Amino acid sequence: QKEVEQNSGPLSVPEGAIASLNCTYSDRGSQSFFWYRQYSGKSPELIMFIYSNGDKEDGRFTAQLNKASQYVSLLIRDSQPSDSATYLCAVSTAGQNFVFGPGTRLSVLP
Amino acid sequence: DAGVIQSPRHEVTEMGQEVTLRCKPISGHNSLFWYRQTMMRGLELLIYFNNNVPIDDSGMPEDRFSAKMPNASFSTLKIQPSEPRDSAVYFCASSNPGLANGQFFGPGTRLTVL
Repeated sequence: QKEVEQNSGPLSVPEGAIASLNCTYSDRGSQSFFWYRQYSGKSPELIMFIYSNGDKEDGRFTAQLNKASQYVSLLIRDSQPSDSATYLCAVSTAGQNFVFGPGTRLSVLP
Repeated sequence: DAGVIQSPRHEVTEMGQEVTLRCKPISGHNSLFWYRQTMMRGLELLIYFNNNVPIDDSGMPEDRFSAKMPNASFSTLKIQPSEPRDSAVYFCASSNPGLANGQFFGPGTRLTVL
C-alpha cells in the first residue's frame, strides 16, 4: 500500500515569514512529486512539481526533494494571508498511480 | 482551454435514488481520474482511465458505484442506489503521462444524499 504522509496542521506562521510544509512517502519507485493548493470549497490547484533531487524554485515557492530519505518539502517565502489554504502533496510514477497525502492546513496570520 | 468540466456542481437527492456525475477532461489528456473528498477521509482515488480504458478501480467503494468512459471527451460516475454516506465532493481530474505532468482538477460536484 503506497502511503503519503503529511502533518495535518494547522501550521500557523506570521505574514512575511517562511512556511515549511513537509511530506514523506513510502514507495521508493515514486518518480514525480507534486504540490497542490486547495482553498476551502475549491478544487486542488497544481502549484509545483519536482522529479530530481535538490531544490526547484518558482517565485516565492521552493520545492525540495530527497529521494534517499523519501522526503519532499515546500517552502513558501514571504508568506501572505492569501497563502492560507490546505496544501496537498501527491506522488506518482510516470504520471500514473497518483497518491495524495491528507494535506496540511496553513494559516498565515496578518 | 476550458479546463476540466464537471456537472452538476451541486446535487441533492434522497437515499435510494440514482445519481450520475459527468466529466469532460481537458482536450488532449488521455488519463482521467475520479476522486471523492470528505473531511474524514481526505481525497480518495476511486478509479482512473487511460485511453478510455479503466486501469485501476480498486478505490471504488462497492458495487453501487460504477464509472464509464465511452470516449476521450466524456466520463460518468454513477451511484445506484445512493446512501447518505456517499455525501461528499466528487472531483474529476485529467492528465497526460510523464514525469512533469500533474493532474488538473475540475470544480467538483458536491453531492448530498438525504
